[in-house]
Amino acid sequence: AQTVTQSQPEMSVQEAETVTLSCTYDTSENNYYLFWYKQPPSRQMILVIRQEAYKQQNATENRFSVNFQKAAKSFSLKISDSQLGDTAMYFCAFMAPEYGNKLVFGAGTILRVKS
Amino acid sequence: DSGVTQTPKHLITATGQRVTLRCSPRSGDLSVYWYQQSLDQGLQFLIHYYNGEERAKGNILERFSAQQFPDLHSELNLSSLELGDSALYFCASSVDPGLAGGGKETQYFGPGTRLLVL
Repeated sequence: AQTVTQSQPEMSVQEAETVTLSCTYDTSENNYYLFWYKQPPSRQMILVIRQEAYKQQNATENRFSVNFQKAAKSFSLKISDSQLGDTAMYFCAFMAPEYGNKLVFGAGTILRVKS
Repeated sequence: DSGVTQTPKHLITATGQRVTLRCSPRSGDLSVYWYQQSLDQGLQFLIHYYNGEERAKGNILERFSAQQFPDLHSELNLSSLELGDSALYFCASSVDPGLAGGGKETQYFGPGTRLLVL
């Protein structure tokens, strides 16, 4: 079974600072995708960034970037220049075509950005 | 706005009742996925439909069923409701999981339906 582990239940960061959220996963598949979703207090699930496992280059989306270490099965999210609107629950998720493309989520990390 | 719509936004009902949750995928998306988010179980995959056909089942109870219609909207039916069914139910859509890569496999979520069973 595929599992996703987020070891940091809660984190906080000062506005304009940088923060890194950790995620590890377990799979025997070689073809898979990894995602970070953000869930603000509205409870909407918002895609932050995606990574294709066959691509060695780390994905970036504006202030968001990932550190994808395939051998270590690690997929961390770095948020630069943190903003108050980044306050949310962040979920790491795994998907493999061999397993029906369902998303397997970690337990989430609550991020609080402080002014 | 992801382009995925879900109705209703909120549902309050009693134990033993039956409810139907509705989802309309993004324009052009053929796949619909249902997920349940509860405090004790986290986010769990329930079921996946592609172009009207069931593709995969997750931890979906026998009291729950779903279908995808020719216009690609989907409905999740929950029956004989129990207190433990109270949760946030999400629908997500993607273009085509068989055309993975280039973002076609990426799932976009609707705003969810909050179900409270009293």
